[in-house]
Amino acid sequence: DQQVKQNSPSLSVQEGRISILNCDYTNSMFDYFLWYKKYPAEGPTFLISISSIKDKNEDGRFTVFLNKSAKHLSLHIVPSQPGDSAVYFCAADSGGGADGLTFGKGTHLIIQP
Amino acid sequence: GAVVSQHPSRVICKSGTSVKIECRSLDFQATTMFWYRQFPKKSLMLMATSNEGSKATYEQGVEKDKFLINHASLTLSTLTVTSAHPEDSSFYICSAPTPFRGDGYTFGSGTRLTVV
Repeated sequence: DQQVKQNSPSLSVQEGRISILNCDYTNSMFDYFLWYKKYPAEGPTFLISISSIKDKNEDGRFTVFLNKSAKHLSLHIVPSQPGDSAVYFCAADSGGGADGLTFGKGTHLIIQP
Repeated sequence: GAVVSQHPSRVICKSGTSVKIECRSLDFQATTMFWYRQFPKKSLMLMATSNEGSKATYEQGVEKDKFLINHASLTLSTLTVTSAHPEDSSFYICSAPTPFRGDGYTFGSGTRLTVV
């Protein structure tokens, strides 16, 4: 059973607008959530994270929101830029990092000029 | 659908021994498998890319003689850590392109390797 779900395989957004990528999880033991960005032929790179004790974390154009009751998190990118076109992975962690990360399958964000 | 099963989930081995980690695509064929090493909390380092029927492609700085990768079939890729040292202790995770999902990838559940 998939514990971290990214239900949208792809998302197309116009340059300058807001991109919203969504992620749902089922395991209530997850206490730390991360977003990764991946370009073709490269490994995923860390983007932003959030602890379960918070409901929002902001870093420049990137903001992650966590709704624990809904077991839902989202990544907002404002304003969207062409270089943001990539695959974005949501990942969740439990057990203080000892057990590694559980990844979603990714959402391909396409920023259109 | 599109599940990658990774085993073992945890392994403890003595220095100097070898450990094999398996990744199997359960309901799809994976002609390509990516192997990553995860550093605490954040970064994933791509170690190598295995391709069914051909030699693996290793990233710069990764010792191919130490981290042996074999892609024996369209559903199985293995990573063998040879002559393990304590500094090889880490979390290793594999992923394969997810069919019918554009650029999506399916990740294994990871292997926590501890070398004592």
